[in-house]
This record gives sequence, structure tokens and C-alpha cells, in this order.
Amino acid sequence: GENVEQHPSTLSVQEGDSAVIKCTYSDSASNYFPWYKQELGKRPQLIIDIRSNVGEKKDQRIAVTLNKTAKHFSLHITETQPEDSAVYFCAAFMDSNYQLIWGAGTKLIIKP
Amino acid sequence: EPEVTQTPSHQVTQMGQEVILRCVPISNHLYFYWYRQILGQKVEFLVSFYNNEISEKSEIFDDQFSVERPDGSNFTLKIRSTKLEDSAMYFCASSVYGETQYFGPGTRLLVL
Repeated sequence: GENVEQHPSTLSVQEGDSAVIKCTYSDSASNYFPWYKQELGKRPQLIIDIRSNVGEKKDQRIAVTLNKTAKHFSLHITETQPEDSAVYFCAAFMDSNYQLIWGAGTKLIIKP
Repeated sequence: EPEVTQTPSHQVTQMGQEVILRCVPISNHLYFYWYRQILGQKVEFLVSFYNNEISEKSEIFDDQFSVERPDGSNFTLKIRSTKLEDSAMYFCASSVYGETQYFGPGTRLLVL
């Protein structure tokens, strides 16, 4: 089955700097890759997603890139702000079984 | 903006007791999911539900678990005989086409 690896587990960056979180997936049939942000005690919230027919997608300070050949995708946050502090999860989805398989999460800490 | 809702927000139960967790998905969504998250860990897929039947389930979703959509709005997860290791946050999610999934606020289950 699908397996998603996510790195790093913790990332600490200075406010205003960029943060990059990387994920790899194992099943080439995966075709949809969302990123969720989870604040402490709250629900995961979808922040950006990308489909397998697209290489890059951007939404203001957030961007996601996908390399299908290498089976990895990354989240990029620029000009980080204190409210970006949270746990970020990547996930991979296959429409053959409607399962969303999650990475282990990255705790992002924004230092003032 | 419509949201997935879940009740109760917290549930404390004795080991061996049955619990029912309730979810109201977004009204025009067709795919429904249950996930669990043990404190500090990643989100784990339990089950997906479409067209009034289970479409996929994980190894976690054993005979002690069941799901139901008793009417046009509610989607429930039942755990027949709770174990200590069932203590976790349980999230319901819904989706129009299966991919982009929106999460409810979760039910924190504590089994004593």
C-alpha cells in the first residue's frame, strides 16, 4: 500500500524566513496531494493541494511543488509569520481506493 | 461557509462500553470518512463511505467498529466494546468527489 514519508519532524525558522517541508510517496498511482495545517487541539485544515498533472501551485505565501518522477512533493512557506506556527501534514490520495494516506507531520516553529 | 460538525466534542467512557460518535457532513458531499489521531501522532485513516456502503477500511477498523448513515444528514461511528487504546481524537471528514476532504472539529475519546 501507499506510504508517505515526511521531513523534517520539527522545523524552527526565524520570522520572515522561508520554510520548506518535504514528503515522498511510494505508490505512483497516487494522484492528489493535499497539505493540511493543524493547530493545537484543532481540526486539520486544508491549506493547499496539487494534482498529479501539475508541477507547481502557489497561493500567496504558500506554494507546493510536485516531482512525479521522483515521487516527492514539497510545501514552501515564504515570509513566515508567528501564525504559521502549527503542525503541517502532507498526504497522498488514490482515487482507486479513496484513501488519504498521511505523513507523520512537521511541527513548524516560527521564532520572533 | 458550511462546515462538518461533530458531537460530542469530548467523550469519557469505561473500557468495554459502547460509544457512538456523530458527524454531520457538508450537505452536498457524497464521500464520508472517519480518521483517528492519537495524541501527538499522525492522522490515521479508518474508513471511507460512499453510496451508503463502506468503500475502504483500514486494518484499524476491525469488527469492533461500524459506521452508519441512518438518515440524510448524520454519519456515525460506533465502537462496540471500547479498549484503552481506542483513546484518541476522532475526526470525521467529507468530500464532494473524494479528494478534497474537509474535517470536522473532532471528538476526543478517553477510555478509562
